[in-house]
Amino acid sequence: GAVVSQHPSRVICKSGTSVKIECRSLDFQATTMFWYRQFPKQSLMLMATSNEGSKATYEQGVEKDKFLINHASLTLSTLTVTSAHPEDSSFYICSASFSGGLYNEQFFGPGTRLTVL
Amino acid sequence: GENVEQHPSTLSVQEGDSAVIKCTYSDSASNYFPWYKQELGKRPQLIIDIRSNVGEKKDQRIAVTLNKTAKHFSLHITETQPEDSAVYFCAASASSGGYNKLIFGAGTRLAVHP
Repeated sequence: GAVVSQHPSRVICKSGTSVKIECRSLDFQATTMFWYRQFPKQSLMLMATSNEGSKATYEQGVEKDKFLINHASLTLSTLTVTSAHPEDSSFYICSASFSGGLYNEQFFGPGTRLTVL
Repeated sequence: GENVEQHPSTLSVQEGDSAVIKCTYSDSASNYFPWYKQELGKRPQLIIDIRSNVGEKKDQRIAVTLNKTAKHFSLHITETQPEDSAVYFCAASASSGGYNKLIFGAGTRLAVHP
């Protein structure tokens, strides 16, 4: 149980375009979803936390107007990278947790590799 | 906010040897400490976790110890195998604004040589 999917798994886009990444919890209702960014050979850096039906909470230094997060339902959160530039190229990973789950366990999606040309 | 430091950044061992990775955290309110294994290009996989009311937990070749007073926790892998080669991340979690977020250590690249 506790499966999280992400789509797309890989995307290549031109500089200046916007890219939307979807994160879905397939077999549970996710009260909270998290978005991370991971640059090559680095750790996972939390970008923002979203709760269903409310605005996302962004970590310090993350531009909320550039990384738009929508958590419209208990099974879907989306991250839109607006006006993407080469420095936004990274591995984006979502995770989901649910109230009543074991401890504070988060279930991770498979990640999306974004390459901005 | 929480800060997690992880050492060493790289670790090379011979097959069959033990490997130990150590982490320290700063927020005394943290109460959940998971360890993840990540292979290149893939999602982090939870391999073991421990809560703050437990000092040690073991699962076959993997064990985790927690010292709340010193605010550090460690991952121990015994009888290492080549398939244990990966990047390992520790994390700490504390409640913040009504939800629990994970703060990750910088990672340890483990290489197990046959």
